Amino acid sequence: DIQMTQSPHSLSASLGETVSIECLASEGISNYLAWYQQKPGKSPQLLISFASSLQNGVPSRFSGSGSGTQFSLKISNMQPEDEGIYYCQQGYKYPPTFGGGTKLELK
Amino acid sequence: EVKLLESGGGLVQPGGSLRLSCAASGFTFADFYMSWIRQSPGKAPEWLSFIRNKANSYTTEYNPSVKGRFTISRDDTQNVLYLQMNTLRTEDTAIYYCAKHEWQLFYFDYWGQGVMVTVSS
Repeated sequence: DIQMTQSPHSLSASLGETVSIECLASEGISNYLAWYQQKPGKSPQLLISFASSLQNGVPSRFSGSGSGTQFSLKISNMQPEDEGIYYCQQGYKYPPTFGGGTKLELK
Repeated sequence: EVKLLESGGGLVQPGGSLRLSCAASGFTFADFYMSWIRQSPGKAPEWLSFIRNKANSYTTEYNPSVKGRFTISRDDTQNVLYLQMNTLRTEDTAIYYCAKHEWQLFYFDYWGQGVMVTVSS
């Protein structure tokens, strides 16, 4: 299985700050990378697919980049509603696998 | 509006069975691939299984962790996805989600609210 490693495990950001979350794949996955946001007690929500393609309705302060094995999610202008756990997921090869998650809190 | 509503969860003893259902609405269910994904408390989601659409012969794939114990199926006439779970183990305890694929890709653009399955004696 392809292993997805996220860093950091957790971080806190002030209102308006820009944060980045990294995701490393154990082998090349081209750009078959998705990012999800999960809030407490809720199911994950797809934010970005194909590493950088924003889903409809997702604020433009979210952006994704990367290809091959290294990817990142950037959140500009941190807002209270951005608190949650963020997961990356590779959709390149069976079985699709998720990273361990990054917990983002408002400082 | 896309809606996915899981049911059938609960408490079951090790070695027992459960069948989960997922009622879908708000999209043409028959056209899309569908998956089951689970999440243990405090852990990342784990993909379990998916089923293709009729055009792709309803073929299925499984995570090795559940292959041979879990069976995915669908009823396109009723817009329902199923997961038959047999020989359940304590480590199968988790929230189980059904999820719609983004077309034939391995991205999950809609998830249900989830149903809890607890395997314990």
